[in-house]
Parts: sequence; C-alpha cells; structure tokens
Amino acid sequence: DAGVIQSPRHEVTEMGQEVTLRCKPISGHDYLFWYRQTMMRGLELLIYFNNNVPIDDSGMPEDRFSAKMPNASFSTLKIQPSEPRDSAVYFCASSNFGLGYGYTFGSGTRLTVV
Amino acid sequence: AQSVAQPEDQVNVAEGNPLTVKCTYSVSGNPYLFWYVQYPNRGLQFLLKYITGDNLVKGSYGFEAEFNKSQTSFHLKKPSALVSDSALYFCAVRGPGGGGNKLTFGTGTQLKVEL
Repeated sequence: DAGVIQSPRHEVTEMGQEVTLRCKPISGHDYLFWYRQTMMRGLELLIYFNNNVPIDDSGMPEDRFSAKMPNASFSTLKIQPSEPRDSAVYFCASSNFGLGYGYTFGSGTRLTVV
Repeated sequence: AQSVAQPEDQVNVAEGNPLTVKCTYSVSGNPYLFWYVQYPNRGLQFLLKYITGDNLVKGSYGFEAEFNKSQTSFHLKKPSALVSDSALYFCAVRGPGGGGNKLTFGTGTQLKVEL
C-alpha cells in the first residue's frame, strides 16, 4: 500500500485566494482525519469522517474552512478566502479503528499564504 | 473528556545513555495509548501502541513504553539513545468507545541526542 497520499506537498498562495488540499486515505480505512500543525498551537484536529460522513467538525477554525469526503478514497480541505494566519502544515490521517490501530499519517501539505 | 500531558517540551540526552520521554493520560475506561515520532518536514510515524496485555510494549527502532495504570502513565524509553533518534515525539490516547473514536495528542516533546 502506498500509504496516505496528500497533494500538493507545498502550496504558496496569495491572501484571498481559494486553496484546496487533497487526501487519499489507505484503502479499507473507515476513518479520515484532518489536522493542522503550527509552532504556536501544535497539532490541532480540524475535522474527521467515518465512512465518508463528517462526525466532528468542532475544530474547524471558521466558516472559511470546509471539508468534504465524496467517496471512501478521496477527501478535500478547502480554505476560501485564505489568510496569512492559515499558514501551517496540514496533515491527513486515516485509520481502521475496528482493529484498534492508531492513525497512518500522510506527509502533509505545507501551506504558505502571503 | 480524554487528555494527554507531556510535561517536558524538550529532553536532552547523550548518545549511548538511556532516554525517557514522559506521558500521562486521562480517559474514562481502559485506554488505547500510542507513541508517534515526527522527523523534520515529515508526517507523524507510528512507533508503538498499548491496547491490552503486557504492560511493557516494544516498538520500532528499539523503543519501548511502559503502561502504568495506577499512575496513568505511558512513558517512552530506550536503553541506548542514538543521534538519529533526535525528533519530535507525540503521545496519544483514545478512549475505549467514547471520545468519538478519535485520538487526542499531547503537545509533543522534542528529543535531542548529542554526541
């Protein structure tokens, strides 16, 4: 298995632009998580899905952020409009909790908003 | 609510010496406990987990962790540190059924192993 695949690896965008981050979870995993990591706040859970359904989005910072999971093999995190304070590394992770396992993380997307 | 505390922001140790990275947790019921490691510019990588059974869990790269229910701790240990172990380490906990099936991570401990 190729693991959790995120794209792009790096994204530089101007303030006000729309940004879309993509994630392909491991096949067979029924949970998908989006995290944001910054020096100031550490690792923050933004939202997670179970069987493609959003379960908890209480970590989404504001309405500018939205996430979708149209099928079991694809998820997106969208920021519209982007702001400099959104600059961070965004991680996607997937899991099959039926086996009592933890998460498998992707390599992350480093977002810079200028 | 479940929570994890990593009381040390940074741990420094000399190569060859034993290392310990501390973690305490709070959860209702029996916990699932995990350690992850993050190298620079990389995602988090799974090191080891405790679900049930033997309190001493062995994981990748020679690391081990001891589950102590009475002290609600799950400290990460290695008998002999390597410079290549220098990285950011995260402890995480998941409740047995509550907590929404999500892991709660600690704030991370930066391990620095020096020659």
